[in-house]
Amino acid sequence: SQTIHQWPATLVQPVGSPLSLECTVEGTSNPNLYWYRQAAGRGLQLLFYSVGIGQISSEVPQNLSASRPQDRQFILSSKKLLLSDSGFYLCARESSGANVLTFGAGSRLTVL
Amino acid sequence: TQLLEQSPQFLSIQEGENLTVYCNSSSVFSSLQWYRQEPGEGPVLLVTVVTGGEVKKLKRLTFQFGDARKDSSLHITAAQPGDTGLYLCAFNTGGFKTIFGAGTRLFVKA
Repeated sequence: SQTIHQWPATLVQPVGSPLSLECTVEGTSNPNLYWYRQAAGRGLQLLFYSVGIGQISSEVPQNLSASRPQDRQFILSSKKLLLSDSGFYLCARESSGANVLTFGAGSRLTVL
Repeated sequence: TQLLEQSPQFLSIQEGENLTVYCNSSSVFSSLQWYRQEPGEGPVLLVTVVTGGEVKKLKRLTFQFGDARKDSSLHITAAQPGDTGLYLCAFNTGGFKTIFGAGTRLFVKA
């Protein structure tokens, strides 16, 4: 199984509050993991990717951060949310050697 | 500037009609992927095209990779309401990153 679990599914947070979105994956060990953000039903923007525990690559400068404390756990965080952080956050894993992404069901964040 | 330009951005058609959506770039790709995303869910891979000029069929969906491997098209025959969704093309950079186009949002009316 390549199942990906994301939670919470929906979140409404005030500006300036902290954020923690969690993603856990099943299946083969040491997967490449990804965080994407999607605004208003448009394309996906790559935020972070990780090729192993503790290894995080950031694609877009912003007030978000990511961590990978365990092989199958990927966390997206912020200390202080901005209005512009609102969006649909998708966690994905890459099938070994296939360059194919499997996505979770996403977490919808609204910052008010 | 988007590496992948998708057109049209939005398409609303009646059930039974045919349609084609496009994914274009000035870059050459070793492969391109098409994903479909339904509202409130993550994208799901439909197909990967690898060879220039390649045509792949998935039931009523026909995918074509341009001869020069710079563009791709998706043709849907006799569209159904279940085809409604956001169609995304994407490519892998050869490293660890997959880059997506902005998508074509398709709405098929019953």
